[in-house]
Amino acid sequence: SQQGEEDPQALSIQEGENATMNCSYKTSINNLQWYRQNSGRGLVHLILIRSNEREKHSGRLRVTLDTSKKSSSLLITASRAADTASYFCATDPYSGNTPLVFGKGTRLSVIA
Amino acid sequence: GAGVSQSPSNKVTEKGKDVELRCDPISGHTALYWYRQSLGQGLEFLIYFQGNSAPDKSGLPSDRFSAERTGGSVSTLTIQRTQQEDSAVYLCASWVPGQGWNTEAFFGQGTRLTVV
Repeated sequence: SQQGEEDPQALSIQEGENATMNCSYKTSINNLQWYRQNSGRGLVHLILIRSNEREKHSGRLRVTLDTSKKSSSLLITASRAADTASYFCATDPYSGNTPLVFGKGTRLSVIA
Repeated sequence: GAGVSQSPSNKVTEKGKDVELRCDPISGHTALYWYRQSLGQGLEFLIYFQGNSAPDKSGLPSDRFSAERTGGSVSTLTIQRTQQEDSAVYLCASWVPGQGWNTEAFFGQGTRLTVV
């Protein structure tokens, strides 16, 4: 069953604004990852946050994790038109050799 | 190559035909996944190979779907008697499990399957 659920499903913002996407999940995890997908093809890993971490930064990306609420957020600051893509969270369940479980994604459109 | 390679990039087939999709993972990556993504949807887990362990086939939607991984490297996903609802992008990913904290998956560019 689907583990991660992102919201909103779609987000449209102006270039320069910040974009925030949220992800909720159901079971205990080793880590949570965010991926980006352009044009419905391969996913590219953006950032990973471990279950014992609360916040992580990478360039214009900021990820938070609240394990008590089983939720995470991805913030993209100073967005650019090139950030237009779908963003997925994926959870690595704390149950041995199990697959990453992806949410349905947030479609971000950044308007120049 | 340095990344995960999938072939073909695009495949159009007639309903009822069998198709084979190929995935070449990154060398040394012992774990390999197949996912399916229908238009505008999230990723649907299909099957997971990890080393010499029996594959996790829990995501395969029907017995028309099967996959194998030869020599712990190349994997082939086979769909028999294709149906129109099989049309989707099939994505392969590989990674190095067992590291617990830091397990990033690397994806291929996918095979877009269209059943007409």
